Amino acid sequence: GEDVEQSLFLSVREGDSSVINCTYTDSSSTYLYWYKQEPGAGLQLLTYIFSNMDMKQDQRLTVLLNKKDKHLSLRIADTQTGDSAIYFCAESLRGRRALTFGSGTRLQVQP
Amino acid sequence: ETGVTQTPRHLVMGMTNKKSLKCEQHLGHNAMYWYKQSAKKPLELMFVYSLEERVENNSVPSRFSPECPNSSHLFLHLHTLQPEDSALYLCASSQEGQGGAGSSYEQYFGPGTRLTVT
Repeated sequence: GEDVEQSLFLSVREGDSSVINCTYTDSSSTYLYWYKQEPGAGLQLLTYIFSNMDMKQDQRLTVLLNKKDKHLSLRIADTQTGDSAIYFCAESLRGRRALTFGSGTRLQVQP
Repeated sequence: ETGVTQTPRHLVMGMTNKKSLKCEQHLGHNAMYWYKQSAKKPLELMFVYSLEERVENNSVPSRFSPECPNSSHLFLHLHTLQPEDSALYLCASSQEGQGGAGSSYEQYFGPGTRLTVT
């Protein structure tokens, strides 16, 4: 079945690294995504990784994928107060158009 | 600004009203989606349109009626809603590859319509 799980909350200090984790159950995932949602706004696509990759780096963002353990993580280096938001992990499955989302992790960055 | 706009941004309606939500995408995409985001559940897919044809209807009650007149516009018509339908309704679009379902990989979301049913 489809299930994407994330921890609900993460608090870090400004300048530290943040690591947001996600687990999924369906092994037919084709792509895995990270979205950011700020208060009152829609979801902003941050980055994605194809399921046959194990790492992707994009400026301050590093995505790690452990396909064996079905574990995805997003690392934000030098976290800033503007990074405070809810981060959603999502997967797309072979044969389905829609994405399956986790419940989101609220990242709080303290000055 | 993602290239997907939604109107209105906020809507309060009574249970007997009829209203419509509008979504427009300026990205040249060929697939559009309605999602529901409520406080206590993960983001839920409601409808998918690909090339203006409804290809997924995720067991949504008939009081929600989608319409896709062309590839740039998507509507969600609402009537006789319930208070539990209060949520943020998000529209998204993507460009499907030639591989069809599963080959699209970037969905761009609008800011959402915050709906309150009284």
